[in-house]
Amino acid sequence: GENVEQHPSTLSVQEGDSAVIKCTYSDSASNYFPWYKQELGKGPQLIIDIRSNVGEKKDQRIAVTLNKTAKHFSLHITETQPEDSAVYFCAASTGTGGFKTIFGAGTRLFVKA
Amino acid sequence: EAQVTQNPRYLITVTGKKLTVTCSQNMNHEYMSWYRQDPGLGLRQIYYSMNVEVTDKGDVPEGYKVSRKEKRNFPLILESPSPNQTSLYFCASSQTSENEQFFGPGTRLTVL
Repeated sequence: GENVEQHPSTLSVQEGDSAVIKCTYSDSASNYFPWYKQELGKGPQLIIDIRSNVGEKKDQRIAVTLNKTAKHFSLHITETQPEDSAVYFCAASTGTGGFKTIFGAGTRLFVKA
Repeated sequence: EAQVTQNPRYLITVTGKKLTVTCSQNMNHEYMSWYRQDPGLGLRQIYYSMNVEVTDKGDVPEGYKVSRKEKRNFPLILESPSPNQTSLYFCASSQTSENEQFFGPGTRLTVL
């Protein structure tokens, strides 16, 4: 079946450094790629998303890039802060004719002060 | 306040005893989904709905049922729960298939 691979599963960085999380998807019909942050005991919350007709999007310290040819998208967090510590999930959605959403397995990010 | 609510938040039950987890959203969203979250596997989509009376299978639908009789509600039904359905369940809603999904707080289910 279709899947989304996410790497790394754990990432530890020093406060102020950058963090990069990478995802690869298999369904070429995927056209929406959100990133969610999940804090302990809560449901996931959207932090940034990108659509298939866009290659890059930035929102303050967070950016996402998409390479549709390679079926690859990445999350970049700059100037990391301790409050960025959480689990991050990428996802790929196929909206045409349905609403299938496949999530990556998650990346646990630790930001050390 | 715009939100997705789920009930119950915690449930311990026994094999074979039918149960329903309710989900309700107050944002007038068309799309709703159920996910289960297991360690190392991320979130896996169980069922989704694109509108009232329109539902379809996600990646892991076996052992689950859903219904969408009203726009705001999307209950998840386990007719005969088994221990492998022990998991953390999330309901989510969104306006379209290419918009943010808003997640509920989760329901932790244990089947003994």
